[in-house]
Amino acid sequence: QKEVEQNSGPLSVPEGAIASLNCTYSDRGSQSFFWYRQYSGKSPELIMFIYSNGDKEDGRFTAQLNKASQYVSLLIRDSQPSDSATYLCAVDTGGFKTIFGAGTRLFVKA
Amino acid sequence: ETGVTQSPTHLIKTRGQQVTLRCSSQSGHNTVSWYQQALGQGPQFIFQYYREEENGRGNFPPRFSGLQFPNYSSELNVNALELDDSALYLCASSPGQGIEQYFGPGTRLTVT
Repeated sequence: QKEVEQNSGPLSVPEGAIASLNCTYSDRGSQSFFWYRQYSGKSPELIMFIYSNGDKEDGRFTAQLNKASQYVSLLIRDSQPSDSATYLCAVDTGGFKTIFGAGTRLFVKA
Repeated sequence: ETGVTQSPTHLIKTRGQQVTLRCSSQSGHNTVSWYQQALGQGPQFIFQYYREEENGRGNFPPRFSGLQFPNYSSELNVNALELDDSALYLCASSPGQGIEQYFGPGTRLTVT
């Protein structure tokens, strides 16, 4: 069973701090990696995708991928209360199938 | 540019009934995937359609079926509804396979 694992949290950080979210995956053949943000009662919103080893930055967000260690992480700099949400890690296994983790709840304290 | 839309927003059905959920993909997107999300869980992959063909399926029984139309819109059909089918059903479209997907607002299905 191919899996994507995330710490369920909640992860609590003060406003302005860096939030670090982590995800591990089991299928070494995975090619594409995604981070989604989901507010309560809403659908997931794509915030980052990464296909190659290394870092990818977009505004306050940085995605990091390490295929050898099979983990992908998301850093949120200068965290804001509006960043409080569940963050979902998703992995495309290359078999026309995307597997999601259960999500990490982030709470940013004002 | 219109994003992904889904209908209906909410639906209440009785166990044993059948339901059809609809999705219109984002302009220029030829790939549609359907997901089931139970409360407190991540989305579970049901299946994917690419150019009107099902080309990937998750661990869901055959009573979950779908269609994709020439305009790339899609339907999810569920027969013989069970109480455990109560969930948020999400449609996501993509400009291709294995790349980023964009979700619609979802359909909340309640089976009583």
